[in-house]
Amino acid sequence: AQTVTQSQPEMSVQEAETVTLSCTYDTSESNYYLFWYKQPPSRQMILVIRQEAYKQQNATENRFSVNFQKAAKSFSLKISDSQLGDTAMYFCAFMKLRAGNQFYFGTGTSLTVIP
Amino acid sequence: DTGVSQDPRHKITKRGQNVTFRCDPISEHNRLYWYRQTLGQGPEFLTYFQNEAQLEKSRLLSDRFSAERPKGSFSTLEIQRTEQGDSAMYLCASSVGTAYNSPLHFGNGTRLTVT
Repeated sequence: AQTVTQSQPEMSVQEAETVTLSCTYDTSESNYYLFWYKQPPSRQMILVIRQEAYKQQNATENRFSVNFQKAAKSFSLKISDSQLGDTAMYFCAFMKLRAGNQFYFGTGTSLTVIP
Repeated sequence: DTGVSQDPRHKITKRGQNVTFRCDPISEHNRLYWYRQTLGQGPEFLTYFQNEAQLEKSRLLSDRFSAERPKGSFSTLEIQRTEQGDSAMYLCASSVGTAYNSPLHFGNGTRLTVT
């Protein structure tokens, strides 16, 4: 079974500063994908960034980047130049490639950007 | 691309009643997923369809739950004899099944309250 652990239930960051959200996972799969999703208050969940497990290079999307450590099964999200609109729940997700591409989500980290 | 839509947004029902939710995925997406999310938790997988075939069901999906996707387009999730423990946000998501790294696109969810 796959498990995804987010050990930081809540975090806060000053506007324009940098924050890192942690995520670890456990799997016996060798090939998989990892995602970070953002869920703003009362709004739908949207994709922030994705990472293929077979790629060593860390993914980046504008102000968002990941630190993927496959051996350690760690997948942290770094948000640079934090903006008020980044306030949301952030979920780390694991997708296995076999049997339906099922996604497994962590419990989330609530991020508040302080003006 | 109108996104994934779910109806209704909110449903309040009395214990013991049946409820049905509808999800319309993005039109070209052949995979459709149902997730349940309770307060403070990440989404938990319930079931998924590829086209009209229901390929996987979670053990969370008791006999009171049934999902259909009759023509491979919209899907319905029915809960019979609702219980207070069924109160949650029910999320629908869709993806392009042919792409290994296809992320999930989520709807706004249906919030169920069982009184």
